[in-house]
Amino acid sequence: ETGVTQSPTHLIKTRGQQVTLRCSSQSGHNTVSWYQQALGQGPQFIFQYYREEENGRGNFPPRFSGLQFPNYSSELNVNALELDDSALYLCASSLGGQVSYNEQFFGPGTRLTVL
Amino acid sequence: GESVGLHLPTLSVQEGDNSIINCAYSNSASDYFIWYKQESGKGPQFIIDIRSNMDKRQGQRVTVLLNKTVKHLSLQIAATQPGDSAVYFCAEKAAGNKLTFGGGTRVLVKP
Repeated sequence: ETGVTQSPTHLIKTRGQQVTLRCSSQSGHNTVSWYQQALGQGPQFIFQYYREEENGRGNFPPRFSGLQFPNYSSELNVNALELDDSALYLCASSLGGQVSYNEQFFGPGTRLTVL
Repeated sequence: GESVGLHLPTLSVQEGDNSIINCAYSNSASDYFIWYKQESGKGPQFIIDIRSNMDKRQGQRVTVLLNKTVKHLSLQIAATQPGDSAVYFCAEKAAGNKLTFGGGTRVLVKP
């Protein structure tokens, strides 16, 4: 296990609703990245938070937003849910900073179903 | 459990044989390449990485080969075991710590 936890495990919402997903990073890590994984595909980068600031964003609309807290845990918020938002949402924690690469440790994901 | 990939290319391999999984990447500016293993119901698990200035790196039972000329990455698993059955993804890292993942390959190990 990576020490990265996510909640809830599964979630069912209807179109137009809002959802908040949570992630607790591995101890000592200050960076959290969020990914969306549609069924049968690789994860797609949504955004990354480093020390409570957004530090890069993928090709996702503004209704996908996030937060990182002083303890480096993070939330992903999605507003106005659409059917295509149904996916596995993964968070990954890492130790960011002035190095070019640090291994990302993934949580088990939250399976979101939008009806 | 969670089904990670319903329509992924599949590699069937006999237990004890070697497996080779291939991946084409797109960004010549990527400076790290990483292989992940994803089992049903779990998040991706790091296997091995390689920096862009290397062409080969070995781990325990795994070897990654990088051919920058043709933008190709491969993962070799020696003496494949039933526990190696999973979906394997390659990922590349360019600016920042953002990972771009490939489409994945399902590996099925036959006893």
